[in-house]
Amino acid sequence: QKEVEQDPGPLSVPEGAIVSLNCTYSNSAFQYFMWYRQYSRKGPELLMYTYSSGNKEDGRFTAQVDKSSKYISLFIRDSQPSDSATYLCAMSAAGAQKLVFGQGTRLTINP
Amino acid sequence: DAGITQSPRHKVTETGTPVTLRCHQTENHRYMYWYRQDPGHGLRLIHYSYGVKDTDKGEVSDGYSVSRSKTEDFLLTLESATSSQTSVYFCAISPGTDQPQHFGDGTRLSIL
Repeated sequence: QKEVEQDPGPLSVPEGAIVSLNCTYSNSAFQYFMWYRQYSRKGPELLMYTYSSGNKEDGRFTAQVDKSSKYISLFIRDSQPSDSATYLCAMSAAGAQKLVFGQGTRLTINP
Repeated sequence: DAGITQSPRHKVTETGTPVTLRCHQTENHRYMYWYRQDPGHGLRLIHYSYGVKDTDKGEVSDGYSVSRSKTEDFLLTLESATSSQTSVYFCAISPGTDQPQHFGDGTRLSIL
């Protein structure tokens, strides 16, 4: 079983919809949680970076961490065609150099 | 962009040849990383550096070596390339432990 599980999709939604992306994990030592966006033939771009449990909001993006359930989410409000990309969750333990990534979810926003 | 340049961006080579990929940063960050990205496996850490001449192995380090002689440059070498090393290679940088990592745009490497 992988340390981080992420549904690869693909996920297709209409423009303006609320998108929910999720990851589950098994390692209770993870303390730092990230979401990256990756466009085709580009590198991952950091969207959200959170520590421990709770919510963090940045514009149309909200990241949630539930450590008791070992579950993290990324919500995208008022989704736009430009949000079409692959979204990667990543996490790490405190003091660790290694990021553990999910496989990524391919998202398409249809105009 | 995070001030990371990877070169070359694309390379095709033959099995058994040596290959060196370069990562150059302009952020003066202490930590630099090499990852590979493959379908079904996501991103996996190959090696990382925590300072000039200070490096350590990641989870998929076999067949790879690294060097860092200057803060801004981190080299990844495949001493004798194999077809299983065909992948997209990403460099990342970070200012310190427990700080977010920022990625370059990758090198697509094909080994025939």
